[in-house]
Amino acid sequence: EVQLLESGGGLVQPGGSLRLSCAASGFTFTTYAMSWVRQAPGKGLEWVSAISGSGGSTFYADSVKGRFTISRDSSKNTLYLQMNSLRAEDTAVYYCAKGGVYSGSYIDYWGQGTLVTVSS
Amino acid sequence: DIQMTQSPSSLSASVGDRVTITCRASQSISSYLNWYEQKAGKAPKLLIYAASTLQSGVPSRFRGSGSGTDFTLTISSLQPEDFATYYCQQSYSTPSFGGGTKVEIK
Repeated sequence: EVQLLESGGGLVQPGGSLRLSCAASGFTFTTYAMSWVRQAPGKGLEWVSAISGSGGSTFYADSVKGRFTISRDSSKNTLYLQMNSLRAEDTAVYYCAKGGVYSGSYIDYWGQGTLVTVSS
Repeated sequence: DIQMTQSPSSLSASVGDRVTITCRASQSISSYLNWYEQKAGKAPKLLIYAASTLQSGVPSRFRGSGSGTDFTLTISSLQPEDFATYYCQQSYSTPSFGGGTKVEIK
């Protein structure tokens, strides 16, 4: 059974940093690209970032480019999102997701989400 | 970037109704279109990929169609468990989602 378990969310001040983690199990981690998708309170879904199965290619939404860094550790089957220079508009539930970056791809599994609140 | 526009943003329907949700892309995306269902407080769930392929385990009352710029999600007979928000997502280029369609009980 595929499981994606996020952690690391919380309250942070504007300009601060946070690192999200996503522990993956139930599939061959290095075979699949992984994504982060966020959802601001009461709003729709926004794709944030993705990384190839090997980790050699990374992709970012314009809204986070230069501030967020996605990475993965195949030895720990874990996906990360390092978030720097956080802004109020980054407040959202962040979902870890399997798949979702290459042409024709789709997200077939999602984590339960972790809430990030940026506020003073 | 490719913009995805869904309509309507919300609708009210009764159990047994046929429901249709549309999604329009700002440029042609071939058949690189996915549909997700999200219930309140839960993560999204994949319903349909490649515009018309039903994900394993999804009931056959869900049907996707379209290609190019115009796509449709149809629920043939709305069930109580189908009251949710539905999102389209293009996978032709850097992923982007539509704004969502909330299906509410009439």
